[in-house]
Amino acid sequence: DTGVSQDPRHKITKRGQNVTFRCDPISEHNRLYWYRQTLGQGPEFLTYFQNEAQLEKSRLLSDRFSAERPKGSFSTLEIQRTEQGDSAMYLCASSLGTPNLQYFGPGTRLTVT
Amino acid sequence: AQRVTQPEKLLSVFKGAPVELKCNYSYSGSPELFWYVQYSRQRLQLLLRHISRESIKGFTADLNKGETSFHLKKPFAQEEDSAMYYCALSVGAGSYQLTFGKGTKLSVIP
Repeated sequence: DTGVSQDPRHKITKRGQNVTFRCDPISEHNRLYWYRQTLGQGPEFLTYFQNEAQLEKSRLLSDRFSAERPKGSFSTLEIQRTEQGDSAMYLCASSLGTPNLQYFGPGTRLTVT
Repeated sequence: AQRVTQPEKLLSVFKGAPVELKCNYSYSGSPELFWYVQYSRQRLQLLLRHISRESIKGFTADLNKGETSFHLKKPFAQEEDSAMYYCALSVGAGSYQLTFGKGTKLSVIP
């Protein structure tokens, strides 16, 4: 197991298009998190899953954003009708039980033109 | 709501000099504090957490509840310490999200 993986690593899209990102957590990690990071900022929490249940959502997660983890393994994050303000690095992390040690993936860099 | 403040965007020190990266937090309860590091072109990785009270790569951090601080320290900086450092907080009590500071870029001058 090489850690958390994310696909794609880079995505350029035009404003108004929909995009979907995938995250594969470390095997058997029951918790999966999505964060967003913009230039000059630290990661900001978006949402978190325990197994397939989405348990926390940030106010940053507007109704254009939707995340799923259908079988409690990989997760997808979809952004509909992208806006230029959505341009950011989208990070995924996973953890198992306690303590809350989160392992991060390499991120997907989204550029909306 | 909880908040993490890292007052320095950039910190430059000479090799062999002591390093202190500052982190202050605001939260009324008893949070768990972490330091994450991101080396150039690498992913974010956990450096240390306050509960374990361990030293990783020569770095230590002590939680000061009175001053609500969790400063990261190393007595002698090495060139390989140059990286972006983020302080993060978890409030626990069933919430697992991390709240990050904006980060401090450490540059160690040879």
